[in-house]
Amino acid sequence: AQSVTQPDIHITVSEGASLELRCNYSYGATPYLFWYVQSPGQGLQLLLKYFSGDTLVQGIKGFEAEFKRSQSSFNLRKPSVHWSDAAEYFCAVGAYSSASKIIFGSGTRLSIRP
Amino acid sequence: GAVVSQHPSWVICKSGTSVKIECRSLDFQATTMFWYRQFPKQSLMLMATSNEGSKATYEQGVEKDKFLINHASLTLSTLTVTSAHPEDSSFYICSANTGTEPYEQYFGPGTRLTVT
Repeated sequence: AQSVTQPDIHITVSEGASLELRCNYSYGATPYLFWYVQSPGQGLQLLLKYFSGDTLVQGIKGFEAEFKRSQSSFNLRKPSVHWSDAAEYFCAVGAYSSASKIIFGSGTRLSIRP
Repeated sequence: GAVVSQHPSWVICKSGTSVKIECRSLDFQATTMFWYRQFPKQSLMLMATSNEGSKATYEQGVEKDKFLINHASLTLSTLTVTSAHPEDSSFYICSANTGTEPYEQYFGPGTRLTVT
């Protein structure tokens, strides 16, 4: 069965500092990987996704993620965070198909220190 | 881009009543839609997969008689919470798959249900 682990429940970084959010997945086939962001009381916004090709994926808002098959990881990074990046971040995995369900990790709450 | 809407955005109902939540794909046809539930400060948990014209597939532990899902058309799926209780209070989010590559799921804005 597919699963996603986000080991960090809450991370605080200073504004302007770099960020890395960890994500490990378990999936029996080639995974379709996602990072979503959710502000309090709001819906989900897709930051980036990966299925194949270049293992370094660029997303919106200056985020990027790197797929490492050997480590079953898909960590999210940003070189310099902004106060507006404070939110909940979810890593998710699915299959590359029209009927595939997406399984979410438990989420990492990001706080920004002024 | 593909847009998914939900209605209502928030609803308050009394314990024992039923409430229906609609999920619509506005500019594409969705053969498959998904319903998630999110409790405060928790992740999204998949409740069921909804296929147009057929019965929904429920995840383990989800009561199919309590959470009725209907996917009558390619653009509309509904979730009815029957005999709601305070423990059903949650954020309900739907998503829809375009059915074509890159098979991205588009999420609705969510519906906040409060049962008093």
